[in-house]
Amino acid sequence: DAGVIQSPRHEVTEMGQEVTLRCKPISGHNSLFWYRQTMMRGLELLIYFNNNVPIDDSGMPEDRFSAKMPNASFSTLKIQPSEPRDSAVYFCASSFIPERDYTGELFFGEGSRLTVL
Amino acid sequence: EDQVTQSPEALRLQEGESSSLNCSYTVSGLRGLFWYRQDPGKGPEFLFTLYSAGEEKEKERLKATLTKKESFLHITAPKPEDSATYLCAVHKGGSEKLVFGKGTKLTVNP
Repeated sequence: DAGVIQSPRHEVTEMGQEVTLRCKPISGHNSLFWYRQTMMRGLELLIYFNNNVPIDDSGMPEDRFSAKMPNASFSTLKIQPSEPRDSAVYFCASSFIPERDYTGELFFGEGSRLTVL
Repeated sequence: EDQVTQSPEALRLQEGESSSLNCSYTVSGLRGLFWYRQDPGKGPEFLFTLYSAGEEKEKERLKATLTKKESFLHITAPKPEDSATYLCAVHKGGSEKLVFGKGTKLTVNP
C-alpha cells in the first residue's frame, strides 16, 4: 500500500485566501484524523471521522475551518479565510478501529506545510 | 485537565551513550500509551503501545516501559540513525482519539 497520501506538500498563500488540503487514507482503514503541528503547541487533533462520519470536531479552531469525508478514500480540510496564525504543518492519519472506545496504531501522511502571509 | 508532558525537550548523546526519555501523564481512565518517532519533514511513525503498568516493549535499541504515572523510552547504545523526535501519546477511555506530548528531540552524534 502507498500509505496515507496528502496534498499539497507545501502551500504558500496570502491572508484571506481559501486553502484546501487533501488526504487519501490507507485502503481498509475506517477512521481518519486531521492533526495540526506547531512548535508552540505540538500535535493537536482537529477532527476525526469514523466510517466517514465526523465523530469529534471539538479541536477545530473556529468556523473558518471545515472538514469533509465524502467517501472512504478521500477527505478535505478547508480554511476560509486563511490567517497567518493558521501557518503550521497539517497531518492526516488513518487507522482501523474495530469498535468504539478503542484506538490503534495511527498511520500518518507526510503532512502539508501551510504558510499564510 | 488531561496532560502529557515529555522531558527533556532536547537531548544530545554520543554514539553508544545510553539514556532515557520520560513521558508523564495525568489522564483519567488511561486505555493505552503510544510512542511514535518523527523524522524531520515526515509524519510520526508508530513504535509501541503499552496498555498496563509494568508492561514493557522492545524494538532494536529501544525499550518502552509504563508505570501508573509515566512511561520511559530507554535507548541503549544509540546510533546516529536514532536521531529523531520521539512523541508520546495517550488514549483516554471514552473516545478514539490520542493526545500527544510535545516530544523530545534526540540527537546522537557519531
